[in-house]
Amino acid sequence: EDQVTQSPEALRLQEGESSSLNCSYTVSGLRGLFWYRQDPGKGPEFLFTLYSAGEEKEKERLKATLTKKESFLHITAPKPEDSATYLCAVQDTSGTYKYIFGTGTRLKVLA
Amino acid sequence: DSGVTQTPKHLITATGQRVTLRCSPRSGDLSVYWYQQSLDQGLQFLIQYYNGEERAKGNILERFSAQQFPDLHSELNLSSLELGDSALYFCASSPGAGILPNYGYTFGSGTRLTVV
Repeated sequence: EDQVTQSPEALRLQEGESSSLNCSYTVSGLRGLFWYRQDPGKGPEFLFTLYSAGEEKEKERLKATLTKKESFLHITAPKPEDSATYLCAVQDTSGTYKYIFGTGTRLKVLA
Repeated sequence: DSGVTQTPKHLITATGQRVTLRCSPRSGDLSVYWYQQSLDQGLQFLIQYYNGEERAKGNILERFSAQQFPDLHSELNLSSLELGDSALYFCASSPGAGILPNYGYTFGSGTRLTVV
């Protein structure tokens, strides 16, 4: 059964203090790994898709990387506006396009 | 505005009642997905429709049902409601014709259901 585990559950950083969020996954065949950002009371917002081990994607202060078993979301010099819950999801090769989501990492960046 | 419209935004109802949640997908998207988000379990996949046909089923209870209409909007029907059904219900859409590079779902803002 497909499974996605995110760590840590919550993370508090000072502004400018870089860190990484982890997403480990178990899937029979990986079609894609997705990162989303979710603000309180809102729907998740798409950030990145990673398809194969070794792939990297960047957007502003965020950089996502992928290995065969896990993905990392690196946050460089974060700002308070980066505070949100970051969700990781996988899509398998079963022929549907459903996601299996992790439970997320709640990030709080303090000014 | 993501382009995915969910109504109502908030719903408060009593146990045992039935409610209908509505979702209009982004223009041009053929697939609609329903997810339930509760505090302790995160986003749980319920069901997917593609161009009017059920495509995949997840952890959807027998008390819940959904459908997608010819105009591609979708409805999620929840019946015999229990306290534990209180959650955020999200709808998402995608083109559905295949995976586009660097493309994810487009989520709506959700319906917050409170069962009292």
